[in-house]
Amino acid sequence: DQQVKQNSPSLSVQEGRISILNCDYTNSMFDYFLWYKKYPAEGPTFLISISSIKDKNEDGRFTVFLNKSAKHLSLHIVPSQPGDSAVYFCAASAEGAQKLVFGQGTRLTINP
Amino acid sequence: DAGVTQSPTHLIKTRGQHVTLRCSPISGHKSVSWYQQVLGQGPQFIFQYYEKEERGRGNFPDRFSARQFPNYSSELNVNALLLGDSALYLCASSLIGQAVGNTIYFGEGSWLTVV
Repeated sequence: DQQVKQNSPSLSVQEGRISILNCDYTNSMFDYFLWYKKYPAEGPTFLISISSIKDKNEDGRFTVFLNKSAKHLSLHIVPSQPGDSAVYFCAASAEGAQKLVFGQGTRLTINP
Repeated sequence: DAGVTQSPTHLIKTRGQHVTLRCSPISGHKSVSWYQQVLGQGPQFIFQYYEKEERGRGNFPDRFSARQFPNYSSELNVNALLLGDSALYLCASSLIGQAVGNTIYFGEGSWLTVV
C-alpha cells in the first residue's frame, strides 16, 4: 500500500529552467509534508516542508505547493542548477507521529 | 556541530548472522528513528525512540530490534540476516518526538550487504 507516490522515476531539465517534481498521497490524515534531496552515498538532506494549513511555502529557489483536495504536492526549483542533480523524495507525516512515509523518489538531472 | 553520525558505514555479513548498527544523534536531539532504504525505493520506517522509549514501530519482523541509551544514541540490531535485508540503513534525529513542525535530520547511513 503505497501511501505516498512519486510517479516519475526520472526528470531531465535544462540548466536555468524550472524543475517541477510531483508527489501524490492517499492518506487524508497526513498533514505535514517534506521534501528531501539525496546524493549518492549520502543520507537525505532536508529541503523544505509545508503544513496542511498552507498551500505554498518558499525558500530561496525552492517552492512547495500543496493541493489538499487533490492530495497532491509539488516542488518547484527555479532556476535549476547542475548541483540540483540528485534524487528527490517527498515524505508525509500525520499529527503526533514521528514516522515519515516516503515516496519512491524522482531522479532529477540538470543538463548544462 | 556534528550532524547525525552512523557506524559502520559499510559492512558485509553472511546469511543467518547478526548485525548491530549504531547512531549518534545531533547534540540536544532526543528522538532517533531508523529507516531502511532498499535500492530504487524510498526509505521505510523501522523504529522511533524518544526519551529512551520506543514510540513507533514499522512493519518489520521481530528479527529487528533497537534501543536508545541515556545519552540518546541508538543501536539497531538485526538477527538471522536474510539476503533481503541488504539495504542502506538510515538513522534520523530530531529535537522532539513528532514530525509535524519539526525538522528531521538524517545520517549518511550504513550500507549492509548480506551474502
